[in-house]
Amino acid sequence: AAGVIQSPRHLIKEKRETATLKCYPIPRHDTVYWYQQGPGQDPQFLISFYEKMQSDKGSIPDRFSAQQFSDYHSELNMSSLELGDSALYFCASSSLVRANTGELFFGEGSRLTVL
Amino acid sequence: QQQVKQSPQSLIVQKGGISIINCAYENTAFDYFPWYQQFPGKGPALLIAIRPDVSEKKEGRFTISFNKSAKQFSLHIMDSQPGDSATYFCAALAGGTSYGKLTFGQGTILTVHP
Repeated sequence: AAGVIQSPRHLIKEKRETATLKCYPIPRHDTVYWYQQGPGQDPQFLISFYEKMQSDKGSIPDRFSAQQFSDYHSELNMSSLELGDSALYFCASSSLVRANTGELFFGEGSRLTVL
Repeated sequence: QQQVKQSPQSLIVQKGGISIINCAYENTAFDYFPWYQQFPGKGPALLIAIRPDVSEKKEGRFTISFNKSAKQFSLHIMDSQPGDSATYFCAALAGGTSYGKLTFGQGTILTVHP
């Protein structure tokens, strides 16, 4: 079965640089979520989309932005990178009905390292 | 402030034993409580979920118990196997208003020795 695809899997950037992460949700899923997981931490909700419209925001820094495109893929843009942005970034997708019961399908994550 | 508190942080169990992970929450708006399993280098995967109108749910070797009055829930893994070694996260969701906005516990690293 198709899963959530994230790219790149690993990314190394310098402080103050910009990074873009991509997510391709499972076909026919109408919701997309971005989570950030620091080392040894639990995943923290960043932002979500329903049918390409932003639906909710969590603890996402103003330096970060995200959007979902007409083909349903989503991108997370991070600017003015800081050392503390080093983390695993997960994208998840689901149907609205399943998401309402907490059932999300996570990708394998993109590991961002900021030097 | 951690809205969902999970314990223990780590757990070592012998093969065949019972693994028990506990979680507690404060926000009474939470009404779905999924458990996620995460292997190293992988994303979290849904294991089992429960609603607060159900006191217990069992799927194979995995059982969730829920105590609504105490605002606590737990995961029991019966006959634990080395392949169960992973990080387990409890989570909570306020369904109907926060689709997919999961609040996770801190995680429990489970190690099952052969």
